[in-house]
Amino acid sequence: EPEVTQTPSHQVTQMGQEVILRCVPISNHLYFYWYRQILGQKVEFLVSFYNNEISEKSEIFDDQFSVERPDGSNFTLKIRSTKLEDSAMYFCASRSGRVYNEQFFGPGTRLTVL
Amino acid sequence: KQEVTQIPAALSVPEGENLVLNCSFTDSAIYNLQWFRQDPGKGLTSLLLIQSSQREQTSGRLNASLDKSSGRSTLYIAASQPGDSATYLCAPPSGSARQLTFGSGTQLTVLP
Repeated sequence: EPEVTQTPSHQVTQMGQEVILRCVPISNHLYFYWYRQILGQKVEFLVSFYNNEISEKSEIFDDQFSVERPDGSNFTLKIRSTKLEDSAMYFCASRSGRVYNEQFFGPGTRLTVL
Repeated sequence: KQEVTQIPAALSVPEGENLVLNCSFTDSAIYNLQWFRQDPGKGLTSLLLIQSSQREQTSGRLNASLDKSSGRSTLYIAASQPGDSATYLCAPPSGSARQLTFGSGTQLTVLP
C-alpha cells in the first residue's frame, strides 16, 4: 500500500542552524502539506502546496520557513535559522486531487533544537 | 476560521465497554471529516474518513457519524480493548487547500 515517507525520523540541531526536512508523498497525489505538533499541544497546519506553489499558509509559516518540490517525488520543508521553539514533530501529508478524499500522513520527523 | 473541540479530554474505562467520543466544529462547510489515532510520541494513524453525504462510516469496531448542520461528529468504539488506549483526534478540513484543523483530542485509557 502506498505511504508517505519522511526523513530523518529525528533531527537534532543547534539554534540558528538551517534544517531541511524531507518527505516523499504518495505518487500521483497533487496536494502536499506540512503540519507540526509541539510536545503536548495540538497538531497545527503550517503550509499547503499545489501546482508547484504555496496555496495556503498559516501565521506560523513566517519568512524562516520555506517549502520546495525539487523533483517529481520529494517535498521539503526548510527552516533557515532554527529557534528553540521550533522543536516539534513535523508531519508531512498528501492527498489526491479529488474533493472528497483523505489526507495521508507520514510518520513524522522529530526536530530538537538545542 | 475552523475551530474544533473534543469532549471529553480524557476518558478511562474498563475493558469491554462501549464508548463515544465527541467532536464539534465551527465551520460546517466541509466535504468530509477524518478521525485519527495517535499513540504517545508517535505519528497519526487515519482511522476513518466520513463524507459529508454520509451519516455513518464503519471500520471494524469503530463507527463515526457526522452531522454537518449541527457541526458535530462522534466516534463510537465498541467492546473497547487495552490496545485501543491512545489519543483520538478529530480533524475537519477548511480553507481552499482543505488543510485539516485538529482538536486537542480525547486521551483514552482502557483498563484490563
